[in-house]
Amino acid sequence: AQTVTQSQPEMSVQEAETVTLSCTYDTSESDYYLFWYKQPPSRQMILVIRQEAYKQQNATENRFSVNFQKAAKSFSLKISDSQLGDAAMYFCAFSGNTPLVFGKGTRLSVIA
Amino acid sequence: DAGVIQSPRHEVTEMGQEVTLRCKPISGHDYLFWYRQTMMRGLELLIYFNNNVPIDDSGMPEDRFSAKMPNASFSTLKIQPSEPRDSAVYFCASSLAPVLQGAELVYGYTFGSGTRLTVV
Repeated sequence: AQTVTQSQPEMSVQEAETVTLSCTYDTSESDYYLFWYKQPPSRQMILVIRQEAYKQQNATENRFSVNFQKAAKSFSLKISDSQLGDAAMYFCAFSGNTPLVFGKGTRLSVIA
Repeated sequence: DAGVIQSPRHEVTEMGQEVTLRCKPISGHDYLFWYRQTMMRGLELLIYFNNNVPIDDSGMPEDRFSAKMPNASFSTLKIQPSEPRDSAVYFCASSLAPVLQGAELVYGYTFGSGTRLTVV
C-alpha cells in the first residue's frame, strides 16, 4: 500500500521569506501523480500544485514550486515570498492506481 | 460550475441518531470519493464510486456506515446509529480520470467544503 509521510508537523516562516515543506512517499508503481493541497481555517481543500511522475521537470505555480526526486521518492514544496495568506495546513498526497492517499499534514505559520 | 456541493455544512446530533450527509459532484466527473478527517487519523478514504458504482468500500469503518450514489449528480453517506467517535469532518470529492489536454495528462480532485459532524 502507498504511504505518504510528512515529517514536519509544524513549520513557521517570516513574511517574505522562503520555506520548504518535506514529503516522502512509498510506492511500487511507476506512473502516478503527486499533489500539495492547502487547507486554511475555512477547511476548504485547495489544490496548490500537481506533479506527474513521468515528467522530469519540476512543477511551478507562481510562488509555489516543487522539488521532485523520483528515485528518492521525495516531493517537497517550496513557498517563496511567503505571505500571511499562506498560513494553513498543507497536505502532500499521492495517487497512482488507487485514490488519493494523504500525509498527516504540516501546519505552516507565517510571522509578520 | 459551482464545484462540489456538500450539505449540511455543520451537523450536531445526539448519539444513536441517524445522520445523512449529502454531496453533489461536479457535472461530468465520473469518480466520487468520501473522505473523513480527524486529528488523530488525518484524511482517510471511506469509499469511492466510478460511474455511480461503488468500487472500494474497505475504508468504511463499520456496518453503521453506508453510502449510495443513485445517480451521477448525487451521493449520500449515512451513519446509523451515530456515536461520539464519528465526530469528524467529512469531505466529498469528485474527479475525472486523467485527461489529455494538449501534450499533458491532467488529473486532479475537487473537494467540497466538508461537513463538520459532532455527535454528542
